[in-house]
Amino acid sequence: DGGITQSPKYLFRKEGQNVTLSCEQNLNHDAMYWYRQDPGQGLRLIYYSQIVNDFQKGDIAEGYSVSREKKESFPLTVTSAQKNPTAFYLCASSTTLGTGRKNEQYFGPGTRLTVT
Amino acid sequence: SQQGEEDPQALSIQEGENATMNCSYKTSINNLQWYRQNSGRGLVHLILIRSNEREKHSGRLRVTLDTSKKSSSLLITASRAADTASYFCATDRRTGANSKLTFGKGITLSVRP
Repeated sequence: DGGITQSPKYLFRKEGQNVTLSCEQNLNHDAMYWYRQDPGQGLRLIYYSQIVNDFQKGDIAEGYSVSREKKESFPLTVTSAQKNPTAFYLCASSTTLGTGRKNEQYFGPGTRLTVT
Repeated sequence: SQQGEEDPQALSIQEGENATMNCSYKTSINNLQWYRQNSGRGLVHLILIRSNEREKHSGRLRVTLDTSKKSSSLLITASRAADTASYFCATDRRTGANSKLTFGKGITLSVRP
C-alpha cells in the first residue's frame, strides 16, 4: 500500500519536553509538508521541504524544527520553545513541480499532541 | 493571513439535497483545490481547478472558478450521509520553484439521513 504514515496517533508530553513526530511516505514524492490544525483555524504551514537535505520555514515555524535526511522521512520536533504546542499535526507530500504538474497533496492520518 | 475564506462556515442539509460551498481568495493563483476531512483524520484531495479553467466535474462534484471575482464554488449533488465532513479550499500560489498551499478555515457539512 502506498501512502503516508504518521506515528503515534496520540501523544502526551509534559511541558518543557521536546517531542518528535514521525512522518514517512512511500509515494516517491520529493516534497513534504508539516501543518498544524487548531479548532476553527484551518491548516497552518509549519515547515516544508522540496528536496532531501533542504527545507524552508512556513508561516508558523517558531518553536519547531525539522530534518530531511531521507526522501521518505520528514520528522518534526516540537521544542519547549513552542508556546502552545497542543494541536493536531498533519504531514503531507506531493510530487515535484514541473511544467504542468499539479501540487495536490496527500495527507497522513495526523498526530494529536497534548502537552500538559 | 488566510488566503482562502470559505462560506458558509457550517451547512446542514437533508440527504439527497445539493450542497454548495464557496471560497474566496485575495491574490492571483495557479490553481485552487478542494479537500475533505473526516473528523480526526487527514485531508483527502477532491478536485483541482487550474486558473485558466472555469468548471470541472468529478463524479457528484462540480467546481467552478471565477478569477475575476477571485472565488470558487464546490457543488456536491445528491448528497449522502457519508458526505458529512469538513471541506477546505486551498490556493496554490506558486512562486518560482516553490509551491505552497494556503488553506481556508473550512466548512462543516452535515448531511441528515
